[in-house]
Amino acid sequence: GEDVEQSLFLSVREGDSSVINCTYTDSSSTYLYWYKQEPGAGLQLLTYIFSNMDMKQDQRLTVLLNKKDKHLSLRIADTQTGDSAIYFCAESSPRNTDKLIFGTGTRLQVFP
Amino acid sequence: DAGVIQSPRHEVTEMGQEVTLRCKPISGHDYLFWYRQTMMRGLELLIYFNNNVPIDDSGMPEDRFSAKMPNASFSTLKIQPSEPRDSAVYFCASSLVRQGGYGYTFGSGTRLTVV
Repeated sequence: GEDVEQSLFLSVREGDSSVINCTYTDSSSTYLYWYKQEPGAGLQLLTYIFSNMDMKQDQRLTVLLNKKDKHLSLRIADTQTGDSAIYFCAESSPRNTDKLIFGTGTRLQVFP
Repeated sequence: DAGVIQSPRHEVTEMGQEVTLRCKPISGHDYLFWYRQTMMRGLELLIYFNNNVPIDDSGMPEDRFSAKMPNASFSTLKIQPSEPRDSAVYFCASSLVRQGGYGYTFGSGTRLTVV
């Protein structure tokens, strides 16, 4: 079955880069997503990558995809305190084009 | 568009009472999803609809839970009778037919506390 895994916590100093990792099991995944959840709020789509891409950059965010290892990462450059949140990766595949499979979420804490 | 709108934002109820959570998806979105989020189990998909028709309700925990979508602009999730273990944040999300780069748009959630 499908499974998406993430580490639970990450703590970084303000101004440093953050790297949040995710592994998935469905080799037929077509799109992979990163969502951000701030306290008391719903999940907000940050960025996504199509499975035939290796990298996607969007301002301070860089997504890297290693399809061979089924590994996805989100790098946040110059991390700010406002980046403190829970980050979820998610995947969609032809077998489940109607729904996303979410990871457990990584809580990012940024300290001054 | 105002996004996905959920009500109420907070609900506190006594065990055994009926609870109804409401959701208004984004206009034009054909899919609607109900999720539950707890510290212990993370984000769980309860049920989803396509064009107002329930497609997969395998995530609904028990018969105490029911969901309806009478039209394209409104859905409800009902718990009857409610129990303390139902305490969680319930999210509604909607999406276009094709996932592509759209992903889901989530509402702000309803925090349910059953005492």
